[in-house]
Amino acid sequence: EAGVTQFPSHSVIEKGQTVTLRCDPISGHDNLYWYRRVMGKEIKFLLHFVKESKQDESGMPNNRFLAERTGGTYSTLKVQPAELEDSGVYFCASSQGLGGGADTQYFGPGTRLTVL
Amino acid sequence: GENVEQHPSTLSVQEGDSAVIKCTYSDSASNYFPWYKQELGKGPQLIIDIRSNVGEKKDQRIAVTLNKTAKHFSLHITETQPEDSAVYFCAASKTNTGGFKTIFGAGTRLFVKA
Repeated sequence: EAGVTQFPSHSVIEKGQTVTLRCDPISGHDNLYWYRRVMGKEIKFLLHFVKESKQDESGMPNNRFLAERTGGTYSTLKVQPAELEDSGVYFCASSQGLGGGADTQYFGPGTRLTVL
Repeated sequence: GENVEQHPSTLSVQEGDSAVIKCTYSDSASNYFPWYKQELGKGPQLIIDIRSNVGEKKDQRIAVTLNKTAKHFSLHITETQPEDSAVYFCAASKTNTGGFKTIFGAGTRLFVKA
């Protein structure tokens, strides 16, 4: 079974440019999460999709960030325009979506974003 | 707001010794506590988890303990091996209507010296 994949693995852009990150969850997983880790700090929750719907986007930093999950399969996270503080590693995770109990999240390898 | 404090940030042990990582959480409604291991170039991988109705759980050389009253939980690795070297994250989450918002600690970089 293929795991969670993310593309690209690295991205270096200049301040003001646009970047789009992609996440392909494990096939059949209804839940998809985006997280970000800034150097040396905690992994911070950004948002959570259940299928194509945004369940919780309370962690999105501001309106420069736009996440989509059309059709409930892969997801994209667009940053426009990028700022220096957006640099970090962006992780995607997916989970099956079992009702009632805790649900193991499987993480992708992350996209390292550097904004110069 | 909700947060998880994790200590230490760096831990160095000799091969064969034990390693302990401690976390505290702020949200008393948290009911699920996973631990992740992140190796270089990879994403975090779940290594063990514990639910709020259990005080301790063990899986071979790894054990977790949970003290709900004090709102802290710990990871114990015994007989450490060089391949245990990695960054470890604790996390706390709670069931909500649609899924789990997970709050992570800042991570502990574990070095196991051969």
